[in-house]
Amino acid sequence: EAGVAQSPRYKIIEKRQSVAFWCNPISGHATLYWYQQILGQGPKLLIQFQNNGVVDDSQLPKDRFSAERLKGVDSTLKIQPAKLEDSAVYLCASSLSNLITGELFFGEGSRLTVL
Amino acid sequence: AQSVTQLGSHVSVSEGALVLLRCNYSSSVPPYLFWYVQYPNQGLQLLLKYTSAATLVKGINGFEAEFKKSETSFHLTKPSAHMSDAAEYFCAAKEAGTALIFGKGTTLSVSS
Repeated sequence: EAGVAQSPRYKIIEKRQSVAFWCNPISGHATLYWYQQILGQGPKLLIQFQNNGVVDDSQLPKDRFSAERLKGVDSTLKIQPAKLEDSAVYLCASSLSNLITGELFFGEGSRLTVL
Repeated sequence: AQSVTQLGSHVSVSEGALVLLRCNYSSSVPPYLFWYVQYPNQGLQLLLKYTSAATLVKGINGFEAEFKKSETSFHLTKPSAHMSDAAEYFCAAKEAGTALIFGKGTTLSVSS
């Protein structure tokens, strides 16, 4: 079974530029998450989708971050304009359902460096 | 508000020694608890999870964790460390209707 796919793996941009990350979840997984992992910290949820609807985006900085999940499968996370403090690994995860005990499967992450 | 605290950002053990990684949670009700492992340049992988069925939970690679409600703890242990156990370990908690909350992580180093 293929895992969660993310691209690009690495991205270096200058502040005020824009960047987009792509995620393809495990086939059949209805729930998709984007997490931000800053160096030295645990992952922090940015947004959670159930199919193509947003369940939780309370910690998404909506003035610069946006995310969509068209057709309830792939998802993109965009940052525009980027700030220095956005340097982090962006992790995509998926689960079969949003049940409390449902296991999350994580991709390898997209590492963003903002100069 | 729910939070997860991992005591010790870095733990070093010798190969064959006991591994103990500490995790405490703060929650009004006992949440569901998880341990994830992250190897360099890889995504997080579930080691084990507590879902109220049994307080002692066994996971992959010989790891286990015990839920202690009185201590609000969910410490991760392994009787004998192996070089391949070197990684970063994250404790996480989840309540109904909330997102999975992670601790800051503990880096485990194993020396020969």
